[in-house]
Amino acid sequence: GAVVSQHPSWVICKSGTSVKIECRSLDFQATTMFWYRQFPKQSLMLMATSNEGSKATYEQGVEKDKFLINHASLTLSTLTVTSAHPEDSSFYICSATLRDRADTGELFFGEGSRLTVL
Amino acid sequence: QKEVEQNSGPLSVPEGAIASLNCTYSDRGSQSFFWYRQYSGKSPELIMFIYSNGDKEDGRFTAQLNKASQYVSLLIRDSQPSDSATYLCAVRSTGRRALTFGSGTRLQVQP
Repeated sequence: GAVVSQHPSWVICKSGTSVKIECRSLDFQATTMFWYRQFPKQSLMLMATSNEGSKATYEQGVEKDKFLINHASLTLSTLTVTSAHPEDSSFYICSATLRDRADTGELFFGEGSRLTVL
Repeated sequence: QKEVEQNSGPLSVPEGAIASLNCTYSDRGSQSFFWYRQYSGKSPELIMFIYSNGDKEDGRFTAQLNKASQYVSLLIRDSQPSDSATYLCAVRSTGRRALTFGSGTRLQVQP
């Protein structure tokens, strides 16, 4: 159980275009999903907390107009990188927690999406 | 001061040895502590978590937590080359639902 699927696993795009990354919980309902970003040889940095049916909560320094997060259902959250630039090239990883493990905070991660902006 | 600190390594141990990975955290009110393993180009996978002082064992892995010293460690017994990866320490800090990650320690197990 607790499988999180992310798509696409890698994407290359031109500067100025927008890219959408999907994150799905396959065998459970995820009321909350977390989006992380990881630059090479660095740790995971939390970008935003995605809440089903409401606006995402963004971390300080993360532009909400550039990184659009939509959590329209209990099994799907999407991250859209708008007007992507080379500095947005990174490994984007979504994660979710099970409702009955919310107290411990255990996270289950998707496979990650590697974005390269040319 | 970083919220979660780890030595970046690499930590090199021979096959069959015990690997000891360490992590310190700044928020004294932190409740839950996690160790994740991340292979290059892959997303993290959970090894184990701990939230009570003392030791917690799971197979070849033992997590140790000392809240007074704000220190958590991971011991890997009988290290195997397949254990070579980056090990991420993560902490659930006070009032936050998300986890805060350290920068990771790269472990190399030499055959």
